[in-house]
Amino acid sequence: DTGVSQDPRHKITKRGQNVTFRCDPISEHNRLYWYRQTLGQGPEFLTYFQNEAQLEKSRLLSDRFSAERPKGSFSTLEIQRTEQGDSAMYLCASSYTTQKETQYFGPGTRLLVL
Amino acid sequence: EDQVTQSPEALRLQEGESSSLNCSYTVSGLRGLFWYRQDPGKGPEFLFTLYSAGEEKEKERLKATLTKKESFLHITAPKPEDSATYLCAVQAGTGGFKTIFGAGTRLFVKA
Repeated sequence: DTGVSQDPRHKITKRGQNVTFRCDPISEHNRLYWYRQTLGQGPEFLTYFQNEAQLEKSRLLSDRFSAERPKGSFSTLEIQRTEQGDSAMYLCASSYTTQKETQYFGPGTRLLVL
Repeated sequence: EDQVTQSPEALRLQEGESSSLNCSYTVSGLRGLFWYRQDPGKGPEFLFTLYSAGEEKEKERLKATLTKKESFLHITAPKPEDSATYLCAVQAGTGGFKTIFGAGTRLFVKA
């Protein structure tokens, strides 16, 4: 069990560019979550998948954000036309579906939009 | 609306000085309450899950307890390596598996 991995770990981009992040969950975990965390705050829920189905999406997630999990394994989070306000740590977590689940987090991708 | 409030925002302790962190929550039917530890620049590290009032869990110098309105993370005789941000999160029994986090308590333990 290698844990949740995320790539890249750091990303610097210019305003208006598109960026894509990847998350590889713990094998056999069928639920995958994306969060955003800014300095001094707790993680903020963005969306989650059960297998390949995106079951919930935060109202805070603008239409510039899109997430996919095409084969129910890894997931990607894309931000189009980045803005300076998108600068944050993007965290991925995975869990195994039970009524009493625990989410395990990856190391995060830190995004800086200039 | 589901809400999690953690206090204090920051806590400074001397090594060996025991204390408690508070997590107050408002949620429509609690499915689970989670405690995580987060070091600067890293992802949260899982500590405990609590499911029902009266439940307690322990790990080394940490002990988590749960009531119907709040949870406490007790730290006994802390060491400098316990310095971190401690996050509390809840999952409601309704509304899918959306997880709500508090802002965290930043703990500093001085030798």
